[in-house]
Amino acid sequence: DQQVKQNSPSLSVQEGRISILNCDYTNSMFDYFLWYKKYPAEGPTFLISISSIKDKNEDGRFTVFLNKSAKHLSLHIVPSQPGDSAVYFCAATYSNDYKLSFGAGTTVTVRA
Amino acid sequence: DGGITQSPKYLFRKEGQNVTLSCEQNLNHDAMYWYRQDPGQGLRLIYYSQIVNDFQKGDIAEGYSVSREKKESFPLTVTSAQKNPTAFYLCASSPVFWRGSNQPQHFGDGTRLSIL
Repeated sequence: DQQVKQNSPSLSVQEGRISILNCDYTNSMFDYFLWYKKYPAEGPTFLISISSIKDKNEDGRFTVFLNKSAKHLSLHIVPSQPGDSAVYFCAATYSNDYKLSFGAGTTVTVRA
Repeated sequence: DGGITQSPKYLFRKEGQNVTLSCEQNLNHDAMYWYRQDPGQGLRLIYYSQIVNDFQKGDIAEGYSVSREKKESFPLTVTSAQKNPTAFYLCASSPVFWRGSNQPQHFGDGTRLSIL
């Protein structure tokens, strides 16, 4: 049973606009969340993370929002750039664990 | 440069054969992981290891085996018992206590395994 879900397999956005990627989780023990970015034929690279004690974390063009009551997090990319075209994975873990549970990924395409 | 090296990048296997995928890291990380990626299914954990000579099964360990004889190396063997081995395999490493740091799991560039 998948504990981290990304229900939108793909997203197309115009260059310069906002990209919003969503992620839901079912395990209430999860208390740390991450986003990874992956280009074809390469390994994922870490993008941004957030602890459950926060509801927002920002790093440059990337902001992650966490809504614990809804078990939902989102990644905002503003403004979107062509180099942002990639697959984005949401991941989660909980205290005393170092393993990650990944979602299925969302493919973002930024149109010129 | 520190990183994770997976080899080969592409691998072909005949049915009924075992094949071993290599993963080496020079990041001095204690923990290492193997994932499998299939289209539309994200990353699924096969095996993971926290320390040398110790490893645990992940979510989809059937048909796979690993060893951890050295801190730097975590090879994965895909056995003939794995009925659907065609996939993209990713190796990762991390400190055991990475939370809150900027060093969560680092990934290699993967090995694509295909059945002839």
